[in-house]
Amino acid sequence: DQQVKQNSPSLSVQEGRISILNCDYTNSMFDYFLWYKKYPAEGPTFLISISSIKDKNEDGRFTVFLNKSAKHLSLHIVPSQPGDSAVYFCAASAGNTDKLIFGTGTRLQVFP
Amino acid sequence: DAGVTQSPTHLIKTRGQQVTLRCSPKSGHDTVSWYQQALGQGPQFIFQYYEEEERQRGNFPDRFSGHQFPNYSSELNVNALLLGDSALYLCASSSVAGEQYFGPGTRLTVT
Repeated sequence: DQQVKQNSPSLSVQEGRISILNCDYTNSMFDYFLWYKKYPAEGPTFLISISSIKDKNEDGRFTVFLNKSAKHLSLHIVPSQPGDSAVYFCAASAGNTDKLIFGTGTRLQVFP
Repeated sequence: DAGVTQSPTHLIKTRGQQVTLRCSPKSGHDTVSWYQQALGQGPQFIFQYYEEEERQRGNFPDRFSGHQFPNYSSELNVNALLLGDSALYLCASSSVAGEQYFGPGTRLTVT
């Protein structure tokens, strides 16, 4: 049972444009959501998070939107840069537990 | 400030053998979590250690066990290795109510 789903395995975007990565979840107990970026041969790197009491969180070029009624979140990267090319994982947790449930990832490629 | 470190980087074992993976948390972190990432999948939670005790556990068999030492470092042990245990094993450290920071992982291949 995949509780966190990233239905797009890959995304290709031109440099300078917006990248939108999507994530859906099924467990209504999830109240904290995170995005991680992963380069080959490295561990996931924390990007940005959002609590369920908010619907938007922004950090520089990265913005995460949360739609609780649709159980959907998205990561916007504006403007996209070639260095953003990586695999992006959506993750969620419930309550005060630190156990993270990850999606399967979306490979983003930003081309010049 | 060193981040999360893991050893070894790569490991090749034979079915039925036992393996121990090691993790040193980021400075100031007291909680260590272990994840298994199979090819093409997201990381899956194995268990978490805090104050030298297993605090949470994911859906993994008892062949997977761990330990946390007084200096907060941790070990993951896997007994009776199966081919399906081949994966990238990630360690993450955190402090109370903080984000988890991941190490580079240990690539385990079981032949």
